[in-house]
Amino acid sequence: NAGVMQNPRHLVRRRGQEARLRCSPMKGHSHVYWYRQLPEEGLKFMVYLQKENIIDESGMPKERFSAEFPKEGPSILRIQQVVRGDSAAYFCASSPTGQGGVGELFFGEGSRLTVL
Amino acid sequence: DAKTTQPPSMDCAEGRAANLPCNHSTISGNEYVYWYRQIHSQGPQYIIHGLKNNETNEMASLIITEDRKSSTLILPHATLRDTAVYYCIVRGSNTGNQFYFGTGTSLTVIP
Repeated sequence: NAGVMQNPRHLVRRRGQEARLRCSPMKGHSHVYWYRQLPEEGLKFMVYLQKENIIDESGMPKERFSAEFPKEGPSILRIQQVVRGDSAAYFCASSPTGQGGVGELFFGEGSRLTVL
Repeated sequence: DAKTTQPPSMDCAEGRAANLPCNHSTISGNEYVYWYRQIHSQGPQYIIHGLKNNETNEMASLIITEDRKSSTLILPHATLRDTAVYYCIVRGSNTGNQFYFGTGTSLTVIP
C-alpha cells in the first residue's frame, strides 16, 4: 500500500512564476491536509480538503495561494506569483477519517520549493 | 495554535530510555494527545496517541497524568535513528480537530 505521494520533491521557481505541488493521498483516504514548514521552524497548518470541498482554509494566506482536491486526481496546492518568502517545504498528509475521527495523519515526504 | 509546551532540546544516551515531557494544561475533556516525530526534514511520522489511559505500541509508550495536564513520551531503548524533532499535539473539537504542530523537542541520541 503506497504511502502519501508528493511531487515534485524539489521545485525551483523565479519570482513571479507559478508553483504547483501535487499530492496523492493513501489509497482509501479522502481527507487531505497541507502544511508549510519554513526553514528552522515547525509545521504550520494551511488547508484541509475532502474530495471536491475545502473544509478549513484558515491557515492559507489570503492571496496567491489556492488548493483543490478534485473528484479524480491528486490534490494540488497552487502558489501564484511566488516570492522568496514562499521558499519552504510543503507537506501533504492524508487521513481515512475527517475532523470527527481520531485517526492519525499520514504524511508525504514533502515538496521543497526554492524561489530565486 | 499549539496548546502544548515542550523543552526545545534534549539529549539521551544510546540504549537508555528517552523521556520527553509535554505540558498541555488547558486540554479539554474530549481532546486527544498525539505524538509525531520528524527525522531530518522528512515527513512527520506518527508515533502514538491517547486520551486518558496510558498507551503502548511497538514504538513508544505514552504516559498521561491523571489530571491530563501533562504527558510523557517514552522511547524505551533509544537508538541513533531516534534522533529527531518530537512534536506533542493536542487535538479535538476545541482546535477544530486540526493537528497544530508547535516547535517540538529536538532529541539527540548520543553514542
